[in-house]
Amino acid sequence: DAKTTQPNSMESNEEEPVHLPCNHSTISGTDYIHWYRQLPSQGPEYVIHGLTSNVNNRMASLAIAEDRKSSTLILHRATLRDAAVYYCILRDETSGTYKYIFGTGTRLKVLA
Amino acid sequence: NAGVTQTPKFQVLKTGQSMTLQCAQDMNHEYMSWYRQDPGMGLRLIHYSVGAGITDQGEVPNGYNVSRSTTEDFPLRLLSAAPSQTSVYFCASSFNRADNSPLHFGNGTRLTVT
Repeated sequence: DAKTTQPNSMESNEEEPVHLPCNHSTISGTDYIHWYRQLPSQGPEYVIHGLTSNVNNRMASLAIAEDRKSSTLILHRATLRDAAVYYCILRDETSGTYKYIFGTGTRLKVLA
Repeated sequence: NAGVTQTPKFQVLKTGQSMTLQCAQDMNHEYMSWYRQDPGMGLRLIHYSVGAGITDQGEVPNGYNVSRSTTEDFPLRLLSAAPSQTSVYFCASSFNRADNSPLHFGNGTRLTVT
């Protein structure tokens, strides 16, 4: 299974953009890049996913490098409610295993 | 829809006891999985299932059994609880493994083994 590498923690000021990086240098051509976040005392929740092109939804944007070896989750205006652990995950659609392997994630602290 | 329902929310076991953590989903999801999360750590995959009658091991399967007799239910059995199994357990499901539909998580079961 391809692995991801994320910084342990990041800080941001409220109402400023946040860029959360993820390295996945061993990604294969069929791996989708998924992002989830986990608020305190809750289960993880889906944020966004993509394969090659940049993606936008109501929660965030996902910027994928041209070589796909890295990606960045962008929160356009951080709020205090965005304080969470953010996980970057690769999911292989062709291996038949369909496993989501979580790493330790990035703990985002939002400062008022 | 209730989504993914996990019971119980909290459980305390003595070493050597057995128990079953329940997970049910009402979204007709094919894919279901169990994770454990130790304090300050990320989630580790225990077992998963891509459909009724099919299960497979994840990263940390030892000490746990699963079965998938129906689409809706995916129980996790601890055969002989050990203190190392103290953790928060999350069940997750997704609608269709082929279309990258997102995982839906339950609220977790907090298990303490003394």
